[in-house]
Order: sequence, then structure tokens, then C-alpha cells
Amino acid sequence: GIQVEQSPPDLILQEGANSTLRCNFSDSVNNLQWFHQNPWGQLINLFYIPSGTKQNGRLSATTVATERYSLLYISSSQTTDSGVYFCAPGRPDSNYQLIWGAGTKLIIKP
Amino acid sequence: GAVVSQHPSRVICKSGTSVKIECRSLDFQATTMFWYRQFPKKSLMLMATSNEGSKATYEQGVEKDKFLINHASLTLSTLTVTSAHPEDSSFYICSARGGLGYEQYFGPGTRLTVT
Repeated sequence: GIQVEQSPPDLILQEGANSTLRCNFSDSVNNLQWFHQNPWGQLINLFYIPSGTKQNGRLSATTVATERYSLLYISSSQTTDSGVYFCAPGRPDSNYQLIWGAGTKLIIKP
Repeated sequence: GAVVSQHPSRVICKSGTSVKIECRSLDFQATTMFWYRQFPKKSLMLMATSNEGSKATYEQGVEKDKFLINHASLTLSTLTVTSAHPEDSSFYICSARGGLGYEQYFGPGTRLTVT
């Protein structure tokens, strides 16, 4: 099956810093989502991005499907950005199931 | 838009009892609903996928008689943990997708503790 690797596993930054989170996947995928899981466990949709680049405020994402990776950029970090960021590509030929990476745990210090 | 609710948010039950968790899509019709389990500091593990009116498809290693899933309508799916044991204690999360889209939207999760 498809393998998903996220890096770095942990990241500690000061408020105001920028960061780049990476997601590599081992085979072609037909869709990909980025999520933020807040400290209370709620998963929040950030981007649906099977290819190309999208921006939403301080966050942006780029997926290069032909090279099997996706990047999530966070600029001017705030303490509320803390949590775990998951990349989840879709399983090909499946019932819309997602494959989950191990996540990147981000801590933003004030 | 695309709001999914889950109830209860937290439940404590005694070993041997059953617990039902509800997942509702509030502002869209959920063609497919998914149930996940998440252990502390771990990623999500898919338990089962259900389409409205059909039997759920369980992932390998998930006991279908222990984790009963019903998707009776386009806005409601339930997960019943039968004869719960302490090892069933976990964070259970549902998600839903609607129409022809791929995006999944997640409920806030249910923290189950079996004593």
C-alpha cells in the first residue's frame, strides 16, 4: 500500500516564525488533504489540494503530484497554530478512503 | 458549511456494557461516513467505511460484531461498542463526505473510557 511520510515529526518555534511541513507519498494519489488537529482533538480541514498551490491567509500549500510530495507553509506563526498537522492522500481505487501520515507536532511558544 | 457533530463528546462506562456514539452531518448529506480510532500521540486508524443504507466495510483486524455501525440515513451514522472492555478505551472520531467530492469533514471526537 501507499506509504506517507511527514517531516519533521516535531517542531518548536517562537511566535512569528515561519515553517514548512513536508509530506512524501510513495505512489500516485487522486486527492490529498491537510488537516490541523487542535489540542482538544478536533480535526480542521486546511486544504484539499491534489495538485497545484492554494493559499488561505497565513497558510498555503503546494502539491507536486508527479514528484509525490506536498508542502504546507505557515507564516507568522501564532500560538493557536499549535497542534498536530496531518497530511492524508486518498487511496487510489478506494471508497474515498484516506491514508494518514504520522503527523507533525507543532508547538508555537509565545 | 460542512459541519459534522458527534455525541457524546466524552463517556465513561463499566466493563461489559455497550456504548453508542452518534455522528451527524448538520448541513450536508453524507454519502459516505468513516469511523476512526486514535490512540494517544498516534495517527488516525480507519475502522470502517459506511455508505447510507449499506452494510459497513470494516478494515482488517476490526471486529464487526464488537463495533456495530449503522448508517440509516444520509445525515446519521452510529457506532456501538458492544461489551466494552478497558482496551476499547480510546478517542473515536467520525468523518463524512458528501456528493461526488473527496473531502472528508470531521466530528469533534468521542473520548471513551471503560472502567
